[in-house]
Amino acid sequence: QKEVEQNSGPLSVPEGAIASLNCTYSDRGSQSFFWYRQYSGKSPELIMSIYSNGDKEDGRFTAQLNKASQYVSLLIRDSQPSDSATYLCAPGANFGNEKLTFGTGTRLTIIP
Amino acid sequence: DVKVTQSSRYLVKRTGEKVFLECVQDMDHENMFWYRQDPGLGLRLIYFSYDVKMKEKGDIPEGYSVSREKKERFSLILESASTNQTSMYLCASLPGDSYEQYFGPGTRLTVT
Repeated sequence: QKEVEQNSGPLSVPEGAIASLNCTYSDRGSQSFFWYRQYSGKSPELIMSIYSNGDKEDGRFTAQLNKASQYVSLLIRDSQPSDSATYLCAPGANFGNEKLTFGTGTRLTIIP
Repeated sequence: DVKVTQSSRYLVKRTGEKVFLECVQDMDHENMFWYRQDPGLGLRLIYFSYDVKMKEKGDIPEGYSVSREKKERFSLILESASTNQTSMYLCASLPGDSYEQYFGPGTRLTVT
């Protein structure tokens, strides 16, 4: 079993709809969870972090964490063409000084 | 603005050559990382460093070494390049009191 599993996609979502990206992880010791966005040919950039069970909202983005199910998701509301990118899930063991394990990413395409 | 720079965007080397990839960050971050990214395999950690002259193996250190003589600079060394080291190499830095890794633009290395 892979340490971090994501559906590779491509996931196609109409503009204005909600995009839902999912991630499962195997390390029960994971305490911090990060979502990175990577545009084609560019480096990853952090867009969301979550540490507690439940939801965390930041603008159009909502991260959801369920540690019992070892599941973390990212919802993008009112999807825009500029959201088209690969989204990487990365659980970490400790707060700060992170040695992260990245998923292979989900490629999201927003259809105008 | 945090800036992480890498010495080259594109590099072509021959099998058996010694290759140096350099990474410099300008924000006095304690932690620095080297990853490689391959299609279908995602981001994989090669080496990381929590302090000057300190290094730790990541998940795939074989065939690589690193050097951190100064806090701002973290070098990745391929002692004898092989074709299976053709990849995108990404450097990242992380302050000691945060959890956001800042990535450099990447170096696409081709070994022929």
